[in-house]
Amino acid sequence: DTEVTQTPKHLVMGMTNKKSLKCEQHMGHRAMYWYKQKAKKPPELMFVYSYEKLSINESVPSRFSPECPNSSLLNLHLHALQPEDSALYLCASSQRPGTGDQPQHFGDGTRLSIL
Amino acid sequence: AQSVTQPDIHITVSEGASLELRCNYSYGATPYLFWYVQSPGQGLQLLLKYFSGDTLVQGIKGFEAEFKRSQSSFNLRKPSVHWSDAAEYFCAVLRNNNDMRFGAGTRLTVKP
Repeated sequence: DTEVTQTPKHLVMGMTNKKSLKCEQHMGHRAMYWYKQKAKKPPELMFVYSYEKLSINESVPSRFSPECPNSSLLNLHLHALQPEDSALYLCASSQRPGTGDQPQHFGDGTRLSIL
Repeated sequence: AQSVTQPDIHITVSEGASLELRCNYSYGATPYLFWYVQSPGQGLQLLLKYFSGDTLVQGIKGFEAEFKRSQSSFNLRKPSVHWSDAAEYFCAVLRNNNDMRFGAGTRLTVKP
């Protein structure tokens, strides 16, 4: 069982829909991450939040909008997505931002399909 | 730029045989290195990590990895593979400020 919980596990949406992915951790971690993973590829970093503030945005299109309402929650708001956005979206957390010796703990992901 | 290379896309081993998965990194300073495993439809599980100190690190599920600075390598090993070890394995390097970069992954198939 993972300590990072992602909901929903699966999501199918049309290109005009608005939906949100949710990630939650109760380990007291202060860094949280969103990754995108296409089939048979490694995860690619999208966003990093450190102490609830956005610290890294890897040039992600604005149709993806992250939000960190508190230290335990991370959301990814989706709007006007394209078929190529279909992927597994992984959330991760680590204990202390800004230090190099912290492994990231991953959730099981949300499998997103864009019709 | 810091990067990670996993030369083997796919490896097949027989159950009970030994396993070595290769990982090479490119990094200017002492790297923070990780091995993760991903089963189909699931997230990534941390197997082990190297930060400093003893270059042979032990992980979960009977895995170990050896850091060799002279070869810029961090290869993952297991003396006897079980059928449940079939999965995708990712080597990763942590760049500054929580920016983790993954290798392309090695898919492990275990033959009965």
